[in-house]
Amino acid sequence: QVQLQQWGAGLLKPSETLSLTCDVYGGSFRGYYWNWIRQPPGKGLEWIGAVNHRGDTSYNPSLRRRITMSLDTSKRQFSLKLSSVTAADTAVYYCARELTFWGQGTLVTVSS
Amino acid sequence: DIVLTQTPLSSPVTLGQPASISCRSSQSLVHSDGNTYLSWLHQRPGQPPRLLIYKLSSRFSGVPARVSGSGAGTEFTLKISRVEAEDVGIYYCMQGTQFPHTFGQGTKLEIK
Repeated sequence: QVQLQQWGAGLLKPSETLSLTCDVYGGSFRGYYWNWIRQPPGKGLEWIGAVNHRGDTSYNPSLRRRITMSLDTSKRQFSLKLSSVTAADTAVYYCARELTFWGQGTLVTVSS
Repeated sequence: DIVLTQTPLSSPVTLGQPASISCRSSQSLVHSDGNTYLSWLHQRPGQPPRLLIYKLSSRFSGVPARVSGSGAGTEFTLKISRVEAEDVGIYYCMQGTQFPHTFGQGTKLEIK
């Protein structure tokens, strides 16, 4: 069974960089896209981007200038960095293996 | 970007009765490989979304047979044949045919 455990800072100031990591337990990295998805409080889901085992990435154009995603198979983890955050980036951030397995979610709040 | 429009946004249903949610896409979701990458997810408050249906009509592991997905091209439907208490929450359609992946705005299913 695949389990995803995510971690990272939950409170940021405007202009700082959001950094989240998702540890992967079980399963293979090959053949899958590893996603980041976010959900502002009380709102719907937004796909942020994805990375595969080769390091190929696809980002949401609305966030592309600020996103970096990476994957490290030796550490069995993948990561998200989002630069220059504002209050509009306040959301619960989820990591997911495609849509099948999800992390528990991390609430990231951006506030001065 | 592909826009997904769900109807209704709210659906009060009597226990034991059927429920149906529609998802309309701004363009065809048929991929060049012949598959239609339309998924349905269910989210309860405070929890990550859970995959119900993938590739239009394939039921994910553990999803009961009373939940089904159908449709073609740009019109898709999620049906629950007999609503149970555990079905309450918000339902999202999501397309994975084209980057960026996009979600519908969500439909809240509640018991009358």
